[in-house]
Amino acid sequence: SQQGEEDPQALSIQEGENATMNCSYKTSINNLQWYRQNSGRGLVHLILIRSNEREKHSGRLRVTLDTSKKSSSLLITASRAADTASYFCAATGTASKLTFGTGTRLQVTL
Amino acid sequence: DAGVIQSPRHEVTEMGQEVTLRCKPISGHDYLFWYRQTMMRGLELLIYFNNNVPIDDSGMPEDRFSAKMPNASFSTLKIQPSEPRDSAVYFCASSNILAGGEETQYFGPGTRLLVL
Repeated sequence: SQQGEEDPQALSIQEGENATMNCSYKTSINNLQWYRQNSGRGLVHLILIRSNEREKHSGRLRVTLDTSKKSSSLLITASRAADTASYFCAATGTASKLTFGTGTRLQVTL
Repeated sequence: DAGVIQSPRHEVTEMGQEVTLRCKPISGHDYLFWYRQTMMRGLELLIYFNNNVPIDDSGMPEDRFSAKMPNASFSTLKIQPSEPRDSAVYFCASSNILAGGEETQYFGPGTRLLVL
């Protein structure tokens, strides 16, 4: 299985601080994606990083990938209350399906 | 595009009843996925289709679950008979494989199922 496992399970920070979430997976991947899920909603794609990339940016998001350690991190800079959500990593291997981790619940307080 | 459409949004039923969940993927997407999300088990892939053909149903929990995709714009997930442990949020997602194997899955809003 290429299941992603996020760490920590829950994270609480104040608005303006940075939030870092980590993800580990088990086997070789083609790419790794991060998704966000607001309470009661479906998942929304945030960013994709290919297996041959080490770092990628998108707005306040920064994703790193270390294939030697089979791990990825998602950094949200200057967090806002609206960033409160659950964040999932998902790995894609040779098959088309994604295998999601258990998620990190991020709480951003004012 | 309206995105992935799921119906119903909420379903409450009694144990033993048949439940049918519906999904309309984004037009032009070749892949359709059914997921189940619970607090205990997280987000689980149940089955996915490519060009209306089931590719991997290894996540379907048991014979009570079945899924069909009669055409490119419609899929159903059926539970018969339903049991309380089937209570969960069921998501449908669709995607299109881009060059290089990159794909983004677009999720519907989910169907919240409660089996009493």
